[in-house]
Amino acid sequence: DAKTTQPNSMESNEEEPVHLPCNHSTISGTDYIHWYRQLPSQGPEYVIHGLTSNVNNRMASLAIAEDRKSSTLILHRATLRDAAVYYCILRDVAGNQFYFGTGTSLTVIP
Amino acid sequence: GAGVSQSPRYKVTKRGQDVALRCDPISGHVSLYWYRQALGQGPEFLTYFNYEAQQDKSGLPNDRFSAERPEGSISTLTIQRTEQRDSAMYRCASSLIDRGDEQFFGPGTRLTVL
Repeated sequence: DAKTTQPNSMESNEEEPVHLPCNHSTISGTDYIHWYRQLPSQGPEYVIHGLTSNVNNRMASLAIAEDRKSSTLILHRATLRDAAVYYCILRDVAGNQFYFGTGTSLTVIP
Repeated sequence: GAGVSQSPRYKVTKRGQDVALRCDPISGHVSLYWYRQALGQGPEFLTYFNYEAQQDKSGLPNDRFSAERPEGSISTLTIQRTEQRDSAMYRCASSLIDRGDEQFFGPGTRLTVL
């Protein structure tokens, strides 16, 4: 599976938008981009996923570069409850494993 | 509805003992996954099942680790002859469909091997 590169940590002010970047320059045509997050002392939870087009759901938006070598998870208004580790993961359409990596630790400042 | 549950939540054992960790997935979920998570790291895949069939066990570290899901629901991860390096958080997840994009994770079992 192709690897992803994320910043170790980021900070955001409460109620402001947050853009969490992910680089995946070796992505293949059949790799889906997934985002999960893990709140302190909890298991990971699904956020969003996509293949080529930008995606929106109630939690976040996923912006995928035209060449698919990078993507950005967008939280439109950060709240204190959004403080978590965010994982960007690639998984082949036929694959069954998620490789989580170390993710980006997001701190939200009140 | 009820989420994924795991028991025990904490397990302390002595080196050389066997341990069994239990996972109760969301009712009706086809796939069940086991992960191990070290402090400061993301979860590491161990194995997964569709119904009662173990589909992939490539992530199991060695033959001391085994897992089963005999009736396609509850699963047990067994570690024989535990070693200190086995200490970690063990997490279970389930998904509604085979290799579902949305996996639902349980609270985990914190295993400490003395």
